[in-house]
Amino acid sequence: EPEVTQTPSHQVTQMGQEVILRCVPISNHLYFYWYRQILGQKVEFLVSFYNNEISEKSEIFDDQFSVERPDGSNFTLKIRSTKLEDSAMYFCAKGGPPGGGNEQFFGPGTRLTVL
Amino acid sequence: AQSVTQLDSQVPVFEEAPVELRCNYSSSVSVYLFWYVQYPNQGLQLLLKYLSGSTLVKGINGFEAEFNKSQTSFHLRKPSVHISDTAEYFCAVTSRNRDDKIIFGKGTRLHILP
Repeated sequence: EPEVTQTPSHQVTQMGQEVILRCVPISNHLYFYWYRQILGQKVEFLVSFYNNEISEKSEIFDDQFSVERPDGSNFTLKIRSTKLEDSAMYFCAKGGPPGGGNEQFFGPGTRLTVL
Repeated sequence: AQSVTQLDSQVPVFEEAPVELRCNYSSSVSVYLFWYVQYPNQGLQLLLKYLSGSTLVKGINGFEAEFNKSQTSFHLRKPSVHISDTAEYFCAVTSRNRDDKIIFGKGTRLHILP
């Protein structure tokens, strides 16, 4: 399986600013996921995305968050107005159809620091 | 709802010694079980998974895990560790239903001592 890549590797932003985290490139996959890991805590599911629509989202994924696949390959996570508590490692993943115990392939993550 | 507990946040072990990383889960539905590994500055990588059948599953890099339904455990073991096994190890579950999200434990950092 080809790697999942993410950019940037580290993003520093001021509170209240918008950030866009990217998975690049992704091809021939239909199922995508975003997870985050706050320092010292567990990896948490944010959202799953299938066929250009959100399939499932967690309670963390509020109106400040959005996902899209703008050009058919890149998969982005946008945080409209960042808060201090958004500081975390954000992982993108790709996988197979749900319910089958399919492996998800993770990117190396983007470390977001909100000042 | 599902949850995963990894009681050990860090496990130090001497090189070439055996290691066991503990994982217990809780779920009201049947689940699939996974172990993922995260090497420094890399993404999460699947070590092994239990879907059905034999309760002893073998994964990459000499790791294995045993599913114990009565104890709701899925402990990870390796008979002889190497310095290259230094990493963070995450136990995880997904529901056998339509759910696709992975529920992770907090992770166990494996320190290999020379």
